[in-house]
Amino acid sequence: KAGVTQTPRYLIKTRGQQVTLSCSPISGHRSVSWYQQTPGQGLQFLFEYFSETQRNKGNFPGRFSGRQFSNSRSEMNVSTLELGDSALYLCASSPSESYGYTFGSGTRLTVV
Amino acid sequence: GEDVEQSLFLSVREGDSSVINCTYTDSSSTYLYWYKQEPGAGLQLLTYIFSNMDMKQDQRLTVLLNKKDKHLSLRIADTQTGDSAIYFCAEIENTGNQFYFGTGTSLTVIP
Repeated sequence: KAGVTQTPRYLIKTRGQQVTLSCSPISGHRSVSWYQQTPGQGLQFLFEYFSETQRNKGNFPGRFSGRQFSNSRSEMNVSTLELGDSALYLCASSPSESYGYTFGSGTRLTVV
Repeated sequence: GEDVEQSLFLSVREGDSSVINCTYTDSSSTYLYWYKQEPGAGLQLLTYIFSNMDMKQDQRLTVLLNKKDKHLSLRIADTQTGDSAIYFCAEIENTGNQFYFGTGTSLTVIP
């Protein structure tokens, strides 16, 4: 059974650019969540999607957005990149609420 | 938001037991989790415990939950060098779709 797949694994962007990260959940999983991990702030929740609807959003500026497609694949977009957006972005999927969340290996974004 | 706290570092000798502790604030948490993160990798689910349980054992791992004190612990028996990693405790809020993670405990196993 394939796990959660995140692409790309590594990304380098310059300040002011925008970036799109992709997450393919485990087959049959309809909930997809995104987290940002930095040394200073730890793991912080970005947003969660279920059946193409955003159900919950963390405390991030509007430059961070996401969406989920009908096949449950999800993308997150960060516009007008700042140096502080450098982080590991993790995606997790679950068949339902509360349990069974499986994380991907993450996308390491570096903003220079 | 909910607050989940862990000590930052733990060092043990190979073969000893490790105990990683966590305190949380949300008394309505349904599930509590332990995740492991190795360098350069994502989060690996180790185990989870339902809030109406006191203890859960899974091979070398034992989870203890004291709901009254909002204290969760993970015991790793016979700790091996491959157990060196960062361990995160997490609770999920009562709406069921947002994790609150602790700061992570960096476990170092000394051969």
